[in-house]
Amino acid sequence: DVKVTQSSRYLVKRTGEKVFLECVQDMDHENMFWYRQDPGLGLRLIYFSYDVKMKEKGDIPEGYSVSREKKERFSLILESASTNQTSMYLCASSIGRDEKLFFGSGTQLSVL
Amino acid sequence: AQKITQTQPGMFVQEKEAVTLDCTYDTSDPSYGLFWYKQPSSGEMIFLIYQGSYDQQNATEGRYSLNFQKARKSANLVISASQLGDSAMYFCAITGANNLFFGTGTRLTVIP
Repeated sequence: DVKVTQSSRYLVKRTGEKVFLECVQDMDHENMFWYRQDPGLGLRLIYFSYDVKMKEKGDIPEGYSVSREKKERFSLILESASTNQTSMYLCASSIGRDEKLFFGSGTQLSVL
Repeated sequence: AQKITQTQPGMFVQEKEAVTLDCTYDTSDPSYGLFWYKQPSSGEMIFLIYQGSYDQQNATEGRYSLNFQKARKSANLVISASQLGDSAMYFCAITGANNLFFGTGTRLTVIP
């Protein structure tokens, strides 16, 4: 079965810390995505990647960066965490463009 | 730009009854796809059903069916014979710019 794994289910960090959220998929999918989910706002795309070492900005990339050194792994980086980055972060992958997304179980990040 | 509108923040349905969750969309793409996802309290996004814009028939997957009205730009999800396990957030999404755009979601509560 398809599997997208996010390294942490819950994470608590302090303002100003550098935060890494890791995501690994085992389906050999080309495309990987990072969304954040906030109540009343739905899911908003932060960054996505169509190939190793490639990345494209989504709707809300400010304050975030990403890394995709290997096909199966897509990391989201908060360079200097702020309280307004407290949110649920969802990683997803897909076999091709405009295809169904497979999601990880999410990371609930709290920045204090 | 693509946009999804889900106007029902919350819905209640009696167990074993049918319920319709509304979704309207806007896109300038001639070809697009529409998805519905379910998010239970565990947080994971679960794919439910897909409708392509050129599909002649409405999509069905078990108890889920999609009432696709292209001229009205609506893609409502119909859940028949509701079960307690259907209580969750439901998100409608549309393809565009090589990723998915999500609505703000509808929280469905099934009453015993």
